[in-house]
Amino acid sequence: DGGITQSPKYLFRKEGQNVTLSCEQNLNHDAMYWYRQDPGQGLRLIYYSQIVNDFQKGDIAEGYSVSREKKESFPLTVTSAQKNPTAFYLCASTWGATNEKLFFGSGTQLSVL
Amino acid sequence: SQKIEQNSEALNIQEGKTATLTCNYTNYSPAYLQWYRQDPGRGPVFLLLIRENEKEKRKERLKVTFDTTLKQSLFHITASQPADSATYLCALLNTPLVFGKGTRLSVIA
Repeated sequence: DGGITQSPKYLFRKEGQNVTLSCEQNLNHDAMYWYRQDPGQGLRLIYYSQIVNDFQKGDIAEGYSVSREKKESFPLTVTSAQKNPTAFYLCASTWGATNEKLFFGSGTQLSVL
Repeated sequence: SQKIEQNSEALNIQEGKTATLTCNYTNYSPAYLQWYRQDPGRGPVFLLLIRENEKEKRKERLKVTFDTTLKQSLFHITASQPADSATYLCALLNTPLVFGKGTRLSVIA
């Protein structure tokens, strides 16, 4: 089955620790995105990539890093510089820059210990 | 500044009635607007896309309108059911997509 897979579903971070959230898609999509969602809030864009080996910062990139070494994969690292990392993280993908019909993963809930 | 706003955080309606959700935007000129459904703890799921040259689009019990003069989209669910209870997000093209905060719809049996 084609789709977009995020792992893990739940993740806990200790203070000062970097953690990496996985996002894999087998839809042959060019563009991939990371959003952060806080309770009662909309989706805020962290980073996006429209092609392999290239990515751009979104509205709230500080404290996060990404890589796009393969078309299928777009991992997000939450660094220790992100002081308020507790949130629901969503990965999405689509065919091209026109952003028609985003496909979302099931999300990762990150909490701080 | 650019803004996309959904009219209310929560909307409660009786089963069988029509739910109407509003999405307003300022300082954008989007080529199209999208609506998504999100259930608790899950990722959003695409529902409908309406382009700037379309006034209305329908899919089963769903209807979306797009008024570029008013800078507004209306999302209707007719004959609503408890299973329609979810958060509904609007999004518009600004490369990349910009999302509203969503409206949490509760359909009461």
